[in-house]
Amino acid sequence: QQQVKQSPQSLIVQKGGISIINCAYENTAFDYFPWYQQFPGKGPALLIAIRPDVSEKKEGRFTISFNKSAKQFSLHIMDSQPGDSATYFCAASGDNAGNMLTFGGGTRLMVKP
Amino acid sequence: EAQVTQNPRYLITVTGKKLTVTCSQNMNHEYMSWYRQDPGLGLRQIYYSMNVEVTDKGDVPEGYKVSRKEKRNFPLILESPSPNQTSLYFCATRQGTRNTEAFFGQGTRLTVV
Repeated sequence: QQQVKQSPQSLIVQKGGISIINCAYENTAFDYFPWYQQFPGKGPALLIAIRPDVSEKKEGRFTISFNKSAKQFSLHIMDSQPGDSATYFCAASGDNAGNMLTFGGGTRLMVKP
Repeated sequence: EAQVTQNPRYLITVTGKKLTVTCSQNMNHEYMSWYRQDPGLGLRQIYYSMNVEVTDKGDVPEGYKVSRKEKRNFPLILESPSPNQTSLYFCATRQGTRNTEAFFGQGTRLTVV
């Protein structure tokens, strides 16, 4: 049973378009929601993170939107570029054992030139 | 340069032959963990360690062992590998345990035949 559900599994976007990836969580004790970006042959790397005391966080072209009541959060990539083509993972952690990060299933993004 | 180093990067082995995947970090982080990555399932935590000589089970610990005798090293041991342990494995470190960035190694692709 996945505690963090991510959709879609794959996404194709034209260059300059907006990429949107959604995640939903179940555990209300989660209080930290990072997104990781993974290029082929590499380990995941932190892209952006949010805490539930804010509804939105923006860093450059990347924005996290957070809806605490719906237990959902999403990543928006504005002006998507071919270099953004990667796998994206949402994650969550909180006051659980070992403060473990629980990851979503991942989204493979392809941005077409 | 801050690094998390895993070895080997690729490994093909036979069922039942004991193997060890090493992980070493130079960031002086207390928290280390092992994940396996499988398509559609994201990253699932196998074991974690909050400090030297302190280890605990993650979400999918069956068939794996770990040890933490020194702060910088956290090897993953498969005593009797089986084909269902064929996966991509990542070691990760974090400074502290509360809502901090995870730094991942390059990954080890393991195939058990």
